[in-house]
Amino acid sequence: DIVMTQSPDSLAVSLGERVTINCKSSQSVLYSSNNKNYLAWYQQRPGQPPNLLIYLASTRESGVPDRFSGSGSGTDFTLTISSLQAEDVAVYYCQQYYGTPWTFGQGTKVEIK
Amino acid sequence: EVQLVESGGGLVQPGGSLRLSCAASGFTFSSYTMTWVRQAPGKGLEWVSSITGSGGNTYYADSVKGRFTITRDNSKNTLFLQMNSLRAEDTALYYCARYIMGSTIDFWGQGTLVTVSS
Repeated sequence: DIVMTQSPDSLAVSLGERVTINCKSSQSVLYSSNNKNYLAWYQQRPGQPPNLLIYLASTRESGVPDRFSGSGSGTDFTLTISSLQAEDVAVYYCQQYYGTPWTFGQGTKVEIK
Repeated sequence: EVQLVESGGGLVQPGGSLRLSCAASGFTFSSYTMTWVRQAPGKGLEWVSSITGSGGNTYYADSVKGRFTITRDNSKNTLFLQMNSLRAEDTALYYCARYIMGSTIDFWGQGTLVTVSS
């Protein structure tokens, strides 16, 4: 199984500041045949189901604010929130869908400082 | 508007069975791979099972293989998860979700809670 490890486990950031969350996979999730990384990011607000933010490592889902961006390739990925807003308080998960079993990172909790 | 509405959760004793349902609307159900993902209380997300649009291919996490069965009824736009031999560690909120080829899981229901306890 591909193990997904996120860092940090939690962070507190002031409103308007930048947030960076890292995700590392135990093996590459890059398909060489199409040069695409099968890596997604989700946001889960308290009491809500997850909400897709980013897929294929860097493609923003329709309707997601452009302050959210994804980057990385192979085994190392990053989710960046360029300017933290109050509504961004949530737990963020990375997920690989390169192969079954699909696996998720343990989550990163983002709070307001 | 895409909607996924899960039902069938509840309290069951260890070794018991439950059948979860997920009613889908707002999209062409038979065209999509559907998935169950669970979340134990206060914990992270765990993929459980997926089924292709035709129902011809199914996939399971090792933790549920041989105990859970995923099926679908495309005539009724409904996804199912038959859960047998339930264990305490199966206690979780079970989400029904839609998977898009070329994207990933793009829409989730609100979930149905399964509690396995004596």
